[in-house]
Amino acid sequence: AQSVTQLGSHVSVSEGALVLLRCNYSSSVPPYLFWYVQYPNQGLQLLLKYTSAATLVKGINGFEAEFKKSETSFHLTKPSAHMSDAAEYFCAVSVFANKLIFGTGTLLAVQP
Amino acid sequence: DTAVSQTPKYLVTQMGNDKSIKCEQNLGHDTMYWYKQDSKKFLKIMFSYNNKELIINETVPNRFSPKSPDKAHLNLHINSLELGDSAVYFCASSQDLTVYGYTFGSGTRLTVV
Repeated sequence: AQSVTQLGSHVSVSEGALVLLRCNYSSSVPPYLFWYVQYPNQGLQLLLKYTSAATLVKGINGFEAEFKKSETSFHLTKPSAHMSDAAEYFCAVSVFANKLIFGTGTLLAVQP
Repeated sequence: DTAVSQTPKYLVTQMGNDKSIKCEQNLGHDTMYWYKQDSKKFLKIMFSYNNKELIINETVPNRFSPKSPDKAHLNLHINSLELGDSAVYFCASSQDLTVYGYTFGSGTRLTVV
């Protein structure tokens, strides 16, 4: 069965520092993977997606993620954190093109 | 022009009441979903409709009943509300899930007192 695991429910970085949010997946078929961001009291917004076209995926707001089959990972990174990046981030996997299964989320705090 | 809109945004009600949440999308998508986000932010799928037909019905109490009058609308009716139903309910829509993922509404925060 497809699933995703997000390591670290809370991540804190300083403004300007590298952001690294971890996601590992489990899938019996080639996965379709997504990262979503949720700002306080808002819905989820798509950051980027992996759909097998390229292993390095660039998204909005300077985020990118690399699909590594050997490590079953799809970690989200951003070279330099901004205060406005503070939010909850969710990794998700598509299950037979029918629905998305979400990870438990990682709350990113950005310190000035 | 909101793509996926939910009403109401906040809903406070007493135990035992019946309430409905409405969702509308103007994206022309064929598939719509309801998710429940609990206090720990965990997102769990409840239902999915494709062109008015129910295609996903996860393990959800019978008190929850979705209705899709047309492919642009998916409503959620909840009978006999319980304290444990307190959560944020999100509506989402998609056209080609593996290519575009979901478009989410802004959520309905339901508080049962």
